[in-house]
Amino acid sequence: GENVEQHPSTLSVQEGDSAVIKCTYSDSASNYFPWYKQELGKRPQLIIDIRSNVGEKKDQRIAVTLNKTAKHFSLHITETQPEDSAVYFCAASKGDTGRRALTFGSGTRLQVQP
Amino acid sequence: GAVVSQHPSWVICKSGTSVKIECRSLDFQATTMFWYRQFPKQSLMLMATSNEGSKATYEQGVEKDKFLINHASLTLSTLTVTSAHPEDSSFYICSATRAGGLEAFFGQGTRLTVV
Repeated sequence: GENVEQHPSTLSVQEGDSAVIKCTYSDSASNYFPWYKQELGKRPQLIIDIRSNVGEKKDQRIAVTLNKTAKHFSLHITETQPEDSAVYFCAASKGDTGRRALTFGSGTRLQVQP
Repeated sequence: GAVVSQHPSWVICKSGTSVKIECRSLDFQATTMFWYRQFPKQSLMLMATSNEGSKATYEQGVEKDKFLINHASLTLSTLTVTSAHPEDSSFYICSATRAGGLEAFFGQGTRLTVV
């Protein structure tokens, strides 16, 4: 089955700096890669996603890049703010639309220091 | 976006008792729902796939007789933790995706504590 590895496990940055989180996946059939932000005790919140036919996607301060050949994708957060502090998960999925389970990375705890 | 509602949001039960958790898709029909488990400071792990009108499929290592899943309608899946033990204490969360869609919509999650 699919295996998603995520690094780093913790990341501390100063407010205003950029943060980068990286993930690799094992199954070349995976074609959808979402990123989630999760606050303690809450459901994961989708912050950005990318499909395998796209190499990069940006939404304001957040961007995701995908390298299908190398089977890795990264989350980039620019101009970080204290409210960006949370745990971030990458995930991968494949298969029929509407019927896809997600395989999650191990998570990255991001701390933005004011 | 679509709405998935999970109930209860938290529950405390005694060892040996059973607990039922409900997952509802409020504004779309879901032939497939997924149940995940998340232990403290860990990632979400898929437990099982809930299929409307048929048996659930369980991931390796998940006991199907302990975690009973019923998907009796296109908008409701239930997870029953039977004979709960303290090691079953965890955050359980369901998800569903619209037909033809990719984005997963999560329920609020259920914090189960077995004492």
